Amino acid sequence: DSGVTQTPKHLITATGQRVTLRCSPRSGDLSVYWYQQSLDQGLQFLIQYYNGEERAKGNILERFSAQQFPDLHSELNLSSLELGDSALYFCASSVGGDTNEQFFGPGTRLTVL
Amino acid sequence: GEDVEQSLFLSVREGDSSVINCTYTDSSSTYLYWYKQEPGAGLQLLTYIFSNMDMKQDQRLTVLLNKKDKHLSLRIADTQTGDSAIYFCAEKGFQKLVFGTGTRLLVSP
Repeated sequence: DSGVTQTPKHLITATGQRVTLRCSPRSGDLSVYWYQQSLDQGLQFLIQYYNGEERAKGNILERFSAQQFPDLHSELNLSSLELGDSALYFCASSVGGDTNEQFFGPGTRLTVL
Repeated sequence: GEDVEQSLFLSVREGDSSVINCTYTDSSSTYLYWYKQEPGAGLQLLTYIFSNMDMKQDQRLTVLLNKKDKHLSLRIADTQTGDSAIYFCAEKGFQKLVFGTGTRLLVSP
């Protein structure tokens, strides 16, 4: 158990809908990272927040957004969902903004029908 | 640019050594990592190596880094059935980790 929690574990929704994925980092970690894992794209970095501020941005679509709250938990919002958004979404956390060790949560499996 | 490549599949017998290989392209990477993903689970950091090192050993795991060839390998000694998983190498690129495609290791009894 990495100490990073993600909810929900599974999510099934329809195209065009909007969903919110939630992540709680390990106690004491200030950074939260979001990744998408799909069969065709592999594991891709989406976005990082550090202490409430956006720190780095990867291959995140405009339909997706994220935020980190004062209690350091983070939410990833996915809107206007498409079939191709079906994937595993992982959250990871680390102590600092640029540290070596990222600890991953168990992931949220999103299925868009 | 950043690109990390791995072979897709490796099959070994229990008790043998496993060697998983990875090539990367970003010569400025400072750290390189190995993660393990078991079915239905998240990624678990196994080990990492700083780019000025050639080798790092941690119990049954040995990481070798050939910076000239941009080649990274993970050797698992005395491989067990519980080692069956997908193994990802990753490089620390600019502001993010770049992951390889993953190598599925199958350990048969």
